[in-house]
Amino acid sequence: DAGVIQSPRHEVTEMGQEVTLRCKPISGHDYLFWYRQTMMRGLELLIYFNNNVPIDDSGMPEDRFSAKMPNASFSNLKIQPSEPRDSAVYFCASSFYSNEQFFGPGTRLTVL
Amino acid sequence: KQEVTQIPAALSVPEGENLVLNCSFTDSAIYNLQWFRQDPGKGLTSLLLIQSSQREQTSGRLNASLDKSSGRSTLYIAASQPGDSATYLCAVPMDTGRSARRGRRALTFGSGTRLQVQP
Repeated sequence: DAGVIQSPRHEVTEMGQEVTLRCKPISGHDYLFWYRQTMMRGLELLIYFNNNVPIDDSGMPEDRFSAKMPNASFSNLKIQPSEPRDSAVYFCASSFYSNEQFFGPGTRLTVL
Repeated sequence: KQEVTQIPAALSVPEGENLVLNCSFTDSAIYNLQWFRQDPGKGLTSLLLIQSSQREQTSGRLNASLDKSSGRSTLYIAASQPGDSATYLCAVPMDTGRSARRGRRALTFGSGTRLQVQP
């Protein structure tokens, strides 16, 4: 298995632009998680899905953030409009039931 | 609210030394605990998952123990090598007990221990 796949790996954009981050979970996994990592706050949950349904989005910082999972093999996280404080590494992870979570390589986002 | 603490924040040891990394959590009603490794600029690699019914798990030179009653876990690395240099993170389910069984599965992480193994 290729593991969790994320794209792009790096994104540099200007403030106010829309940013879309993409994730392909491991085949057969029924949970998908989006986390964000910053130096100041460490790793934090943004949102997670179970069987493509959002379960907990309490970590989504503002209405500027949205996430969808249209099918079992794809999810995206959008930021519109982006702001410099959104600069971070965004990780996608997946798991089967409550078992081990596997992380993707992350997307390093820089908002200028 | 579950909180996870890792001590020490940083550790530097000579190659070949055995070492222990510590993790503590405030709510002992967890159903599993996971240890990860993160290399600079990289993603997280899962090292070990310990279920609440287990006391320890082993993988190669790594051994993780879990003591739920005291809210502690340790990661033991035997015969450390320069390639072990990385940040080690422990994580537990964000909610515990009944709410966890209803479906909350996300993790809350410690801040990590940054390990440097000197050749």
